[in-house]
Amino acid sequence: NAGVTQTPKFQVLKTGQSMTLQCAQDMNHEYMSWYRQDPGMGLRLIHYSVGAGITDQGEVPNGYNVSRSTTEDFPLRLLSAAPSQTSVYFCASSYRQITNTGELFFGEGSRLTVL
Amino acid sequence: SQELEQSPQSLIVQEGKNLTINCTSSKTLYGLYWYKQKYGEGLIFLMMLQKGGEEKSHEKITAKLDEKKQQSSLHITASQPSHAGIYLCGAVGGSNYKLTFGKGTLLTVNP
Repeated sequence: NAGVTQTPKFQVLKTGQSMTLQCAQDMNHEYMSWYRQDPGMGLRLIHYSVGAGITDQGEVPNGYNVSRSTTEDFPLRLLSAAPSQTSVYFCASSYRQITNTGELFFGEGSRLTVL
Repeated sequence: SQELEQSPQSLIVQEGKNLTINCTSSKTLYGLYWYKQKYGEGLIFLMMLQKGGEEKSHEKITAKLDEKKQQSSLHITASQPSHAGIYLCGAVGGSNYKLTFGKGTLLTVNP
């Protein structure tokens, strides 16, 4: 069972470069989301999607773009990377509304360093 | 926005000891979720509490929800090295789709 798969696991960028973090899930989950985790800040929601074609902003959306063209995939794009975006990024998914079960399935994370 | 404060921030216990982690919300809790994270890995769902006074257990981990105090506690009985990790509480506020997390409690269990 693959679950939630994130790629790449590690990435080093230079300031101003662009890149896409990939996230795929094989559980037919409607809900997908991206979090970033920083020391002392905890997990913060960047963007989320409740289905194909539907996305919305979380707490810290600036500097990130998302799209949801299929149920399975939810890529996170950094258009012009900044050192402040150095972080560990987690993709998570769930069947429907979180309040139903509370269970988000997380990927293993993508560690991004922006120099 | 809803804020969750966890205490303590870190905890070191000897194997076999009991411990408690608290999570306090700045707003009314409509549901409280506990997750565990091992170093370098993603989060694993432990349990969800939705009703005041509700108590759930997962192996040797028990969590309770006190709606009046806007607080939840997670208690580990007879801790083991396998319990080590970061425990995070989460809550849904304002939207059924936005799960906000506390900053986590780092638990170390010494053998």
